Amino acid sequence: GAGVSQSPRYKVTKRGQDVALRCDPISGHVSLYWYRQALGQGPEFLTYFNYEAQQDKSGLPNDRFSAERPEGSISTLTIQRTEQRDSAMYRCASSLGPGTGELFFGEGSRLTVL
Amino acid sequence: GQQLNQSPQSMFIQEGEDVSMNCTSSSIFNTWLWYKQDPGEGPVLLIALYKAGELTSNGRLTAQFGITRKDSFLNISASIPSDVGIYFCAGQLQGTYKYIFGTGTRLKVLA
Repeated sequence: GAGVSQSPRYKVTKRGQDVALRCDPISGHVSLYWYRQALGQGPEFLTYFNYEAQQDKSGLPNDRFSAERPEGSISTLTIQRTEQRDSAMYRCASSLGPGTGELFFGEGSRLTVL
Repeated sequence: GQQLNQSPQSMFIQEGEDVSMNCTSSSIFNTWLWYKQDPGEGPVLLIALYKAGELTSNGRLTAQFGITRKDSFLNISASIPSDVGIYFCAGQLQGTYKYIFGTGTRLKVLA
């Protein structure tokens, strides 16, 4: 697609439920990143893929968080047994390839856990 | 999570003034990116820097990749009201493809 597309834009869920956030990167972009951004703060790195391979997941807060990109295009970030502290904006970004520099962001998915 | 030191945290300036902000770290970076974020929007890329010492301009914006590879600077000349927003730096950590973001500089322009 023309830009990075994320869905849903807004998700409200009850504590304890699982959520899945989707990212469709720019067509042809090999690298895909997930970030979490709290209000008024900079994006915080979660994980990174090259093609379908998850190269770095050092930023995932705990084992309730997981991500996949099975066919090297669309990626899903899953949060199991959500907690209120998981409430944040989750942002996806893509780039042409590893080390190519320019990271392009989507509009984000705003998660609210009640 | 890991974030870069960015300063100043916020700035109030008069329209027409020049603005400077910077990002510093104790780590070495291979690439520096500068973004602007408007309320409710995603970060938009302004400038990308790839080599130590590189100076790159984009209109009224000029950014530099520090010689030590541990810092970067962004200057905005002759500010206008639409420059209002939050500016973030992001550095690609040496030896990884991970980008670490700064804490942000909030810019307000008074007409």
